[in-house]
Amino acid sequence: NAGVTQTPKFQVLKTGQSMTLQCAQDMNHEYMSWYRQDPGMGLRLIHYSVGAGITDQGEVPNGYNVSRSTTEDFPLRLLSAAPSQTSVYFCASRRLPGELFFGEGSRLTVL
Amino acid sequence: QQQVKQSPQSLIVQKGGISIINCAYENTAFDYFPWYQQFPGKGPALLIAIRPDVSEKKEGRFTISFNKSAKQFSLHIMDSQPGDSATYFCAATYNTPLVFGKGTRLSVIA
Repeated sequence: NAGVTQTPKFQVLKTGQSMTLQCAQDMNHEYMSWYRQDPGMGLRLIHYSVGAGITDQGEVPNGYNVSRSTTEDFPLRLLSAAPSQTSVYFCASRRLPGELFFGEGSRLTVL
Repeated sequence: QQQVKQSPQSLIVQKGGISIINCAYENTAFDYFPWYQQFPGKGPALLIAIRPDVSEKKEGRFTISFNKSAKQFSLHIMDSQPGDSATYFCAATYNTPLVFGKGTRLSVIA
């Protein structure tokens, strides 16, 4: 039972480059979300989706795009990476409110 | 605007002692208060949760105490063990995306 799978686990980008963080879940959860974790800042919501074709912004959406074409996948796109986007990114899904299942994270460094 | 305030930022406890982490919230509409545990290099995982219709919930060595009038809730870890060393996050929701506290790094030393 894979749960929530994130790829890649580690990535180094140069300023201005673009990339996509992949997230897939096999629990048939309608709700999926992306958080970033920075030291002393906790977990901050970037974007979330309540089902295929529906996305919404969280607390820190600037610089990130998402789409949700299937129930299983929720990719996070960085169009033009900036050093401020250096962080650990977590994808999570849920069946019930408050009961999130997190992936193991993607550590991104932007030089 | 931070809706859930968590303290302390870090905590060192002797093995066998009691670890206490506190959280305060502002939005009285919140109706579900989970705690998440995160080990280094891993994603957070749901540890225990409470709804505001009860004042306490216990699961093994972990207990949530909830004070609705004060808009506060806390996590107590009894008989703390080195394996409990992790970062703990409180959170709150009312069928909205979870709002997390900033986390508490707990170190249990022998």
